[in-house]
Amino acid sequence: NAGVMQNPRHLVRRRGQEARLRCSPMKGHSHVYWYRQLPEEGLKFMVYLQKENIIDESGMPKERFSAEFPKEGPSILRIQQVVRGDSAAYFCASSPAQLGFNEKLFFGSGTQLSVL
Amino acid sequence: QKEVEQNSGPLSVPEGAIASLNCTYSDRGSQSFFWYRQYSGKSPELIMFIYSNGDKEDGRFTAQLNKASQYVSLLIRDSQPSDSATYLCAVKEGGSQGNLIFGKGTKLSVKP
Repeated sequence: NAGVMQNPRHLVRRRGQEARLRCSPMKGHSHVYWYRQLPEEGLKFMVYLQKENIIDESGMPKERFSAEFPKEGPSILRIQQVVRGDSAAYFCASSPAQLGFNEKLFFGSGTQLSVL
Repeated sequence: QKEVEQNSGPLSVPEGAIASLNCTYSDRGSQSFFWYRQYSGKSPELIMFIYSNGDKEDGRFTAQLNKASQYVSLLIRDSQPSDSATYLCAVKEGGSQGNLIFGKGTKLSVKP
């Protein structure tokens, strides 16, 4: 049973370009969460999605960032006009249902974004 | 602002000793608490979760929760060099759609 799959593992972009990060949740999971981690920092929540719906985007920057989780295909985190401050590890996590007492998050390997 | 606080460390313990990792949280409505282990350059890996006051044991790991004090801890018995990693405390926000709020992590170093 494959885990959470993220690609690419490493992504290099120049300032002003677009970055697209992909996440396929574990089989049977329909809830996806995106987190960002800066060096020596904890994981910062960005957005929570279910299929075709954004449930909570309170952690997303207001500009340049967007996320989707279409009916078919992976979840996409899109960063337009990247700046150096966007350089970070971006982790995707999935769960089979809303986080409750017994639901847990399982993380993918992350995408390391480097902006030159 | 809901917060999860951890000492950043590094916490250094000798091999075979007990490592004690602590975490406090601000949201009294929090219901579930998680410990993740993260090796350098790798993704977080769930090692324990707890939602009832008291202790929960799993092998060499014991999670302890005190909701009145808003405090959760992780004990690692018989620490091994392979336990050297950053340990992230995570708290599920109160409410049906709450997500996980993470602390910055405590770096643990187990010396042979």
